[in-house]
Amino acid sequence: GNSVTQMEGPVTLSEEAFLTINCTYTATGYPSLFWYVQYPGEGLQLLLKATKADDKGSNKGFEATYRKETTSFHLEKGSVQVSDSAVYFCALGGYQKVTFGIGTKLQVIP
Amino acid sequence: EADIYQTPRYLVIGTGKKITLECSQTMGHDKMYWYQQDPGMELHLIHYSYGVNSTEKGDLSSESTVSRIRTEHFPLTLESARPSHTSQYLCASSDPTARTDTQYFGPGTRLTVL
Repeated sequence: GNSVTQMEGPVTLSEEAFLTINCTYTATGYPSLFWYVQYPGEGLQLLLKATKADDKGSNKGFEATYRKETTSFHLEKGSVQVSDSAVYFCALGGYQKVTFGIGTKLQVIP
Repeated sequence: EADIYQTPRYLVIGTGKKITLECSQTMGHDKMYWYQQDPGMELHLIHYSYGVNSTEKGDLSSESTVSRIRTEHFPLTLESARPSHTSQYLCASSDPTARTDTQYFGPGTRLTVL
């Protein structure tokens, strides 16, 4: 079946540091890949997505590239801000449902 | 902008009470979902629906039940709440005709059972 492996947190960074959150997946076929973000006290919001190999999703300075050869979809941002503090979920779209990773908590300190 | 609503946002209730968590969406999506979220953040799918009169159990066994009488409405009911039901409950919907199965989430209901 489908599965998503996401690095465990928490991740603590200083403001303006470079961010990488690793995500790898196992799936049959050619699933869509997603990153969702959850701010404190809120539901999840779609951050970015990619639908096929070599696609790059981007939004709000975040990027992730769909790498079929390494079955990865790592999230990156060049310079994080305090307002980026949240929980980030990698997800894989399947036939009937979406499979979510465990979530990585990011804390950015001034 | 996603239009999916959950009420109440917070609920504190005693053991043995019956509760219903409301979820509504105005996007006309056929697919809807309920997730239970651990304090440690992990999401567990407990129910989903393909459309009106369709309900399915998710990956995590739950004592809750759901109904889908109208496309826009997907309430979750606990007949007799227990402290083990204390959790965050997230409702989501998606458009199965879209190329990607993007899910849109409500703000969640934080349930505490005393």
